[in-house]
Amino acid sequence: SQKIEQNSEALNIQEGKTATLTCNYTNYSPAYLQWYRQDPGRGPVFLLLIRENEKEKRKERLKVTFDTTLKQSLFHITASQPADSATYLCALDMAGSAGNTGKLIFGQGTTLQVKP
Amino acid sequence: NAGVMQNPRHLVRRRGQEARLRCSPMKGHSHVYWYRQLPEEGLKFMVYLQKENIIDESGMPKERFSAEFPKEGPSILRIQQVVRGDSAAYFCASSPPPAEYTGELFFGEGSRLTVL
Repeated sequence: SQKIEQNSEALNIQEGKTATLTCNYTNYSPAYLQWYRQDPGRGPVFLLLIRENEKEKRKERLKVTFDTTLKQSLFHITASQPADSATYLCALDMAGSAGNTGKLIFGQGTTLQVKP
Repeated sequence: NAGVMQNPRHLVRRRGQEARLRCSPMKGHSHVYWYRQLPEEGLKFMVYLQKENIIDESGMPKERFSAEFPKEGPSILRIQQVVRGDSAAYFCASSPPPAEYTGELFFGEGSRLTVL
């Protein structure tokens, strides 16, 4: 079955630096991969979706890459700010290459702490 | 423009009691998903519903758990005879009909169940 691995150790960086988070998956390559942000006691908030035919996607200070050969996605936050401190979740659709079902497999998330 | 609404936000039950969690999807969304987040674990898919129809309940425990999404009113996740292991955050997400679905799920803030 499909599994997602995210670095369970917290990532601590200094304000202004670039944070890079990793998401690795096993088995089949999905049609797309998503990243969500979750703050303590809150629900996940969608950030970015990247499709299998896209190598890179950007949104403001966020950048996501998708390497189907390595079965890996990297999530970058440039010019990080203390307000970026949160847990970031990687997710794949269980339908795999078949497309959209909304049944997502989530990684355990990586907690980012940006220090001023 | 209200988002996904869940209530109650916090619920305390004693072992053996019933828990009912409610979810109203975003306006214009016809599909609802329930996910569970156990302490120190990632989000796990439970069930996927549209009005008056369960589409996929492959993630639901076989006993004590049920879900519905009636023609009128919110979706309800019902847990009968709760046990301590049911203590978790339960998140509801919604999406538009499949023809309009782009992959993004919209999550509520969750209902946190504590079983004493």
